[in-house]
Amino acid sequence: DIVMTQSPLSLPVTPGEPASISCRPSQSLLHSDGYNYVDWYLQKPGLAPQLLIYLASNRASGVPDRFSGSGSGTDFTLRISSVEAEDVGVYYCMQALQTPSFGQGTKLEIK
Amino acid sequence: EVQLVESGGGLVQPGGSLRLSCTASGFIISHYNMNWVRQAPGKGLEWGSYMGAGGTLYYPDSVKGRFTLSRDNAKNSLYLEMNSLRAEDTAVYYCARISGTEVRYWGQGALVIVSS
Repeated sequence: DIVMTQSPLSLPVTPGEPASISCRPSQSLLHSDGYNYVDWYLQKPGLAPQLLIYLASNRASGVPDRFSGSGSGTDFTLRISSVEAEDVGVYYCMQALQTPSFGQGTKLEIK
Repeated sequence: EVQLVESGGGLVQPGGSLRLSCTASGFIISHYNMNWVRQAPGKGLEWGSYMGAGGTLYYPDSVKGRFTLSRDNAKNSLYLEMNSLRAEDTAVYYCARISGTEVRYWGQGALVIVSS
């Protein structure tokens, strides 16, 4: 089973400042098709998760361009260029190379 | 518009049974891979029982032999029959539609509480 390790687990951020979340899988997520099978989701308080980024770096429809994903193999990052109040919630990475598994989640809060 | 609506959650005693339903609109459920992602109170997300478009089934070890997935194409619905429920099955269960390698659509969730 692939274990997804996120850091930090808690992320206090001042509005307008950038933020980044790391996700490190226990094995490479690079598929033979050249894509990295990792997604990022945001779960806002009391709501279902929503897709932010798929295949490591592709923004889902309707996701603001302040969100970006990068990385390859065993090192992935979600970046928010300028945090807004509506970005609070828990961020999860998920691998889809094998039976999917999620990271522990990173709780972003506004300072 | 794609929508997933779960129903059937509630309070059940340990050892009891419950059936969750996921009714889809805006797409044909049998054309997509579907999953029941669950989330225990205050915890993270857990990949759950899966039904592929072609009928392939997958159950995590934690529920194998106790949970059963089925689909009613005429009702455009997915069902999760849960038997021999345990306290650790207490969670919000999200019906999720998989597109490619990602979950693009989620239901609002159904809360299952297993407690005496």
